[in-house]
Amino acid sequence: SQQGEEDPQALSIQEGENATMNCSYKTSINNLQWYRQNSGRGLVHLILIRSNEREKHSGRLRVTLDTSKKSSSLLITASRAADTASYFCATFQGAQKLVFGQGTRLTINP
Amino acid sequence: SAVISQKPSRDICQRGTSLTIQCQVDSQVTMMFWYRQQPGQSLTLIATANQGSEATYESGFVIDKFPISRPNLTFSTLTVSNMSPEDSSIYLCSGTGNYGYTFGSGTRLTVV
Repeated sequence: SQQGEEDPQALSIQEGENATMNCSYKTSINNLQWYRQNSGRGLVHLILIRSNEREKHSGRLRVTLDTSKKSSSLLITASRAADTASYFCATFQGAQKLVFGQGTRLTINP
Repeated sequence: SAVISQKPSRDICQRGTSLTIQCQVDSQVTMMFWYRQQPGQSLTLIATANQGSEATYESGFVIDKFPISRPNLTFSTLTVSNMSPEDSSIYLCSGTGNYGYTFGSGTRLTVV
């Protein structure tokens, strides 16, 4: 079963705007990860945030984690056409099995 | 991080046939996994590929339909057997080690 649920399911914005995606999960976690998938291909790891962290930055990406609400958000600032992709949050179930959220399909319009 | 080469990248197959997907990692990985991604959906774990022993399948997936091999620490195969149109999906392998998680580029399977 899927651990996380994400919203929105689809997001379409203009190039240069910021994009925010949210993820909720059900069980306790040690960390939460975000992945990007271009055109149904392989997944690329974007960022990992540990349960004792509240915010983490990587380039134009900002991830927040609220363990009390069991939720995380991914913010992409100054979006570009190349950011068009599906974004998934994922958490570990057991030792090393990753369980993915439903994903957000992001479209950046030129 | 490790690099995983997955092939084929796509295939169109007749129903009732089988397709074997291969994943080769350029370094040893602790664990390897196989996922299915149905059209417009998220990834669902099929099984954990165990080196030298039978794979561990998730609920809803069985060995007869998705036999998996992992003869060594850098290679694994997934076979989709007796295919039907409902098996049309993207299949992805992944590996984990000290570097974290890495995914293959996926196999887009269409069953006609």
